Amino acid sequence: KAGVTQTPRYLIKTRGQQVTLSCSPISGHRSVSWYQQTPGQGLQFLFEYFSETQRNKGNFPGRFSGRQFSNSRSEMNVSTLELGDSALYLCASSLSSVKSSYNSPLHFGNGTRLTVT
Amino acid sequence: AQKITQTQPGMFVQEKEAVTLDCTYDTSDQSYGLFWYKQPSSGEMIFLIYQGSYDEQNATEGRYSLNFQKARKSANLVISASQLGDSAMYFCAMRKLGGATNKLIFGTGTLLAVQP
Repeated sequence: KAGVTQTPRYLIKTRGQQVTLSCSPISGHRSVSWYQQTPGQGLQFLFEYFSETQRNKGNFPGRFSGRQFSNSRSEMNVSTLELGDSALYLCASSLSSVKSSYNSPLHFGNGTRLTVT
Repeated sequence: AQKITQTQPGMFVQEKEAVTLDCTYDTSDQSYGLFWYKQPSSGEMIFLIYQGSYDEQNATEGRYSLNFQKARKSANLVISASQLGDSAMYFCAMRKLGGATNKLIFGTGTLLAVQP
C-alpha cells in the first residue's frame, strides 16, 4: 500500500511569490492534516480536512490556505511568501471518522522543504 | 490547553543497549491518546507506538515500549537493544479523543544518537 505522497520534495521561492504544495493520502484515508516544522517553532498544526471540509485550523495568518478534493487529495497554498515561511511542510493522513474516538495514528509523508529567499 | 514536554534535547546510547526518552504531558481532557514518532534525517515522521489514556496495559510494539504513568502524566518511550538505524529525532505527541479533530500537539523532540 502506497504511503502519503507529497510533491514537490523541495522548493525555492522568492519573497512575495506564492506556492502550492500537494499531498496524496493513503488510499482510503479521508482525513488530511498539514503541519509546519521549523527549528525555532517546532511542529505546528496548520489545518485539517475531512471529506472536503476544513474541520480545524491552527493559528496561522490568512496567507496560508488549503483545500481537499473529492478523492481526498489535498493542497495547501501560501501567498505573499515571507522569509519566515521557510520550513518543512508535512502532510498526514488518517483513517479516522468524524469523531476521533479511537486510536487512528496520523501517517506522514516525506514533507516538502520550502526555502524562501 | 494541552502541552507536551520533552526535556532531553539530545541523548547518546551504545548500540544494543536500552534507552528511555522522557515525555510529560498536561491536559484537562479525560480521554486522550499519546503517540511517539520517529523522524530520520530524511524528514518523514514514522509512527512508532500509541497509548490511550484508558489503556490499563503499557503499549509495546517490537523493540518499543511505552512506560505510561497516568498519575505522573508521563509517557516515556523505551527502546530496547538500540540499533544504529534508531539514530533520529523522536517526538512525543498527544491528541484528545472523542473530539472532531485529529490535531496532534507535539513536543520539541529528542535527538537520539546510537554509537557503535
